[in-house]
Amino acid sequence: GQQVMQIPQYQHVQEGEDFTTYCNSSTTLSNIQWYKQRPGGHPVFLIQLVKSGEVKKQKRLTFQFGEAKKNSSLHITATQTTDVGTYFCAGIGSGNTGKLIFGQGTTLQVKP
Amino acid sequence: DTEVTQTPKHLVMGMTNKKSLKCEQHMGHRAMYWYKQKAKKPPELMFVYSYEKLSINESVPSRFSPECPNSSLLNLHLHALQPEDSALYLCASSQALRSGGHYNEQFFGPGTRLTVL
Repeated sequence: GQQVMQIPQYQHVQEGEDFTTYCNSSTTLSNIQWYKQRPGGHPVFLIQLVKSGEVKKQKRLTFQFGEAKKNSSLHITATQTTDVGTYFCAGIGSGNTGKLIFGQGTTLQVKP
Repeated sequence: DTEVTQTPKHLVMGMTNKKSLKCEQHMGHRAMYWYKQKAKKPPELMFVYSYEKLSINESVPSRFSPECPNSSLLNLHLHALQPEDSALYLCASSQALRSGGHYNEQFFGPGTRLTVL
């Protein structure tokens, strides 16, 4: 079945350092969504990418969708303690009925 | 109102109990979802309702029974659960499964933390 692999599993950074998490799919994706889950919280939608090679920015966050629509990345510039949480990518395969295939998540810890 | 609410927040039940989880949204969304999330794992899809009809059942055991009484409400009926069913149960909703050819963002509720003894 379709899988979405996400690395790294954990990342510890010093506040002010940059952070990147990567997702790779075994098949071409229709689109990819990114969610953030704070400790003890629930997933919160961040962004959706639908076009090949698309790049979107939200303040310090930069999201990319690969040219082949099989990989994606989230880059955070100058991390802050408020960035702590688990970041999930979630892909939807072409022809799929709406099921999000979540990556395993990357848990970010930021040391002040 | 831009939130999904879930009750109860916490639930402890025995293996012979029958209980229900409730989810409500007033955003006019026509797709609603149940997910199960174990600690340090991603959410796993259980069921999808689209326009109050069951659209996806991810081969979930029959001890979990979903119900969508109307477009705003989603229930999950629980019966004869096992300890391994202990998890965070998340409800989510989206405008529809698809809009304009693309899948919609999902709004998650805070979840019900279920413990089965």
